[in-house]
Amino acid sequence: DIQMTQSPSSLSASVGDRVTITCRASQSISSYLNWYQHKPGKAPNLLIYAASSLQSGVPSRFSGSGSGTDFTLTITSLQPEDFATYYCQQSYSTPHAFGQGTKLEIK
Amino acid sequence: EVQLVQSGAEVKKPGESLKISCKASGYSFTDYWIGWVRQMPGNGLEWMGIFYPGDSDIRYSPSFQGQVTISADKSISTAYLQWNSLRASDTAMYYCVRVRRGGYKPIDSWGQGTLVTVSS
Repeated sequence: DIQMTQSPSSLSASVGDRVTITCRASQSISSYLNWYQHKPGKAPNLLIYAASSLQSGVPSRFSGSGSGTDFTLTITSLQPEDFATYYCQQSYSTPHAFGQGTKLEIK
Repeated sequence: EVQLVQSGAEVKKPGESLKISCKASGYSFTDYWIGWVRQMPGNGLEWMGIFYPGDSDIRYSPSFQGQVTISADKSISTAYLQWNSLRASDTAMYYCVRVRRGGYKPIDSWGQGTLVTVSS
């Protein structure tokens, strides 16, 4: 099975900051990488699919890049509503494993 | 509008059986995979498995194979997650998810979650 590793596990930042979260796959997954945002008490939400495609309705301050085994999620100009936990997920082969999550907190 | 509406919270005892449901609407049920994601208290998301109602193809995570049963009734656009004998370690939030059939297969829609509590 493919393992997904995110870093960092937690991150403190301020409104207006630019942040980057990384995700590494244990083997090549081409561009089969998705990013989700999860806020407490709510269902997760798809942000980015196919490594760099922005899901409809998601603000353009979110972007994704990478292919093969190394991927990044970048949020430019953090907004108050962006403080949440972020997960990467590979959909190259089942089981479609998630990374362990990155909790983005307000500094 | 795509909607996945899950059944309500459950409180069960160890050893009991349980079947939770997810009613889909707003799209063609047989054109997408439908599956389940677990979140244990204080933990991250875990992919459990997916079911394709079009041909009943099913894929389980090895971590959940044999522990749960995923099924669906396409006549009523409803998916199910079933346990024969619950354990305390099954206490978690369970999300129903829709997965695109082709392409890059992201989870593009989530249910509201069903909280399952297993306690003696």
